[in-house]
Amino acid sequence: DSGVTQTPKHLITATGQRVTLRCSPRSGDLSVYWYQQSLDQGLQFLIQYYNGEERAKGNILERFSAQQFPDLHSELNLSSLELGDSALYFCASSVEVLADTGELFFGEGSRLTVL
Amino acid sequence: GEDVEQSLFLSVREGDSSVINCTYTDSSSTYLYWYKQEPGAGLQLLTYIFSNMDMKQDQRLTVLLNKKDKHLSLRIADTQTGDSAIYFCAESIETGRRALTFGSGTRLQVQP
Repeated sequence: DSGVTQTPKHLITATGQRVTLRCSPRSGDLSVYWYQQSLDQGLQFLIQYYNGEERAKGNILERFSAQQFPDLHSELNLSSLELGDSALYFCASSVEVLADTGELFFGEGSRLTVL
Repeated sequence: GEDVEQSLFLSVREGDSSVINCTYTDSSSTYLYWYKQEPGAGLQLLTYIFSNMDMKQDQRLTVLLNKKDKHLSLRIADTQTGDSAIYFCAESIETGRRALTFGSGTRLQVQP
């Protein structure tokens, strides 16, 4: 158990819809990362938040947005869903202190299926 | 830019050694990592190596780093069926951006 909690574990929805994925980081971790894992694209970095502020952006579509709340949990919002958005979405957290190894702790993922 | 490449599949017999290879492009990588993903689970850190090291050994795992060729490998000695999983290499650069860049993953299948 990594200590990172993601909900829901599975989600099935239709094209054009909007969903919200939720992540609770490990206790004490200030950084949250979102990754998308699909069969043809591998593991793609979407976005990182640190203590409530956006820190880095990866290959995140404009239809997607995220935020990190004062209690450090994070939400990833996916809107105007397309078939190609079907994937496993991982949240990870890290300590982010100087001289740490940069290890990320991953949740078990939220599997999104868009029909 | 950052790019990490791995072969997609490796099959070995139980008891043999497995070697999973990875190439990366960013010479400023500070840490390089190997993560393991078991079916239905998230990624879990197996081991990491700091960029000023050539080799790191941790029980059955040996990591070799060739900075000149930007090549990283993971050797698993005495591979067991429980080692069947997807293995990802990843790199991190210390420019204030700590997100890891992952390879596409190598699926290791261990035949009994």
